[in-house]
Amino acid sequence: QSALTQPASVSGSPGQSITISCTGTSSDVGGYNYVSWYQQHPGKAPKLMIYDVSNRPSGVSNRFSGSKSGNTASLTISGLQAEDEADYYCSSYTSSSSWVFGGGTKLTVL
Amino acid sequence: EVQLVESGGGLVQPGGSLRLSCAASGFTFSSYWMHWVRQAPGKGLVWVSRINSDGSSTSYADSVKGRFTISRDNAKNTLYLQMNSLRAEDTAVYYCASGHYYDSSGYHNQYYFDYWGQGTLVTVSS
Repeated sequence: QSALTQPASVSGSPGQSITISCTGTSSDVGGYNYVSWYQQHPGKAPKLMIYDVSNRPSGVSNRFSGSKSGNTASLTISGLQAEDEADYYCSSYTSSSSWVFGGGTKLTVL
Repeated sequence: EVQLVESGGGLVQPGGSLRLSCAASGFTFSSYWMHWVRQAPGKGLVWVSRINSDGSSTSYADSVKGRFTISRDNAKNTLYLQMNSLRAEDTAVYYCASGHYYDSSGYHNQYYFDYWGQGTLVTVSS
């Protein structure tokens, strides 16, 4: 199972919006509404930010939103804040009854 | 408060074995499917294995199939990962994480990783 494709890095200024893409295939992202997104600060465990494409867990800011079109999912962060600077990973359930992650995207808040 | 605490990591020689543990508290561990996810130094997350709530069903990533064994002891609220024939490429921080669960209202499909531990580092090197 190949990793999902994410941009290596994105950046934005405080208050701006950014979008991180996550491209897979019809066997994972395109085949199921089971895409999730995780935020990871250096030296910390990942934190669930979005599940089932567009749902936010309790306690996650509504500045984070998710969507999907075909084989590509997206995470959008609006009103960027310094604390959003972190690595972000997408994940999808697959037709092999397994899970696959993206390679990760480093978000820099300028 | 939900807590997952991994332990058992360390330095091991290529070809060696190690058993990781993940102690759970603050939730009904026996009702949850559990996963292991790893992260090589400076690299991304990789799903390793999962086990259902009663331990009767398991699955593995191709990269560890036949070498790693996931298991659980619901009486001890503990998840395990037995790692044999270790290779340098198995060097990583290993996280345990929760998945599907059931409760009095039924079965809840969670195709995502909700609770995470802090991870334990496994280094395979001579």
